[in-house]
Amino acid sequence: AQSVTQLGSHVSVSEGALVLLRCNYSSSVPPYLFWYVQYPNQGLQLLLKYTTGATLVKGINGFEAEFKKSETSFHLTKPSAHMSDAAEYFCAVSGNAGNMLTFGGGTRLMVKP
Amino acid sequence: DAGVIQSPRHEVTEMGQEVTLRCKPISGHDYLFWYRQTMMRGLELLIYFNNNVPIDDSGMPEDRFSAKMPNASFSTLKIQPSEPRDSAVYFCASSLTPLSQPQHFGDGTRLSIL
Repeated sequence: AQSVTQLGSHVSVSEGALVLLRCNYSSSVPPYLFWYVQYPNQGLQLLLKYTTGATLVKGINGFEAEFKKSETSFHLTKPSAHMSDAAEYFCAVSGNAGNMLTFGGGTRLMVKP
Repeated sequence: DAGVIQSPRHEVTEMGQEVTLRCKPISGHDYLFWYRQTMMRGLELLIYFNNNVPIDDSGMPEDRFSAKMPNASFSTLKIQPSEPRDSAVYFCASSLTPLSQPQHFGDGTRLSIL
């Protein structure tokens, strides 16, 4: 069975500050890892994904994430927060048959001016 | 290219009524997923299809829920009879094989049962 834990259901940062959203996973098979962002009244949009190869993955809007197998982590970072980054962020893992994704509980990012 | 299209975007109806949610996946995608999102339970997978065939419906909460995919470009999620606790945002998503491919989500249907 797979599971995803996102530490912190709410994270607040100041505009221009570093964004760090934490994600830990468990998987019995080599995982594929995803970060999605959800803006109000919208569906989930893919930010970035890790499948194989380079463990540091760059995504849209200046976000990146690093796959650390030894720590079973896939934390999302952005060097400088912007007001437009305020949204909910979901980490997800895939690897079982059926293209199923297992989602974390989500982290709501708030950006203070 | 058009993304996943869901209709209606908002639905308000009275308890006991039948509700039908619709989804058009991205052309060529062979997987289709239905999710429900609530504040209390987060994002839950209800059912998914592969090549129009239901593969896993273990997330469907009750027999009042049913889903169909009559062809590769259309799916429905039906609730009959509806109850206030069914109020949620329902998302449809589609993807390609293999497992490394991301799911693409629609904008959801916000369902309110009075």
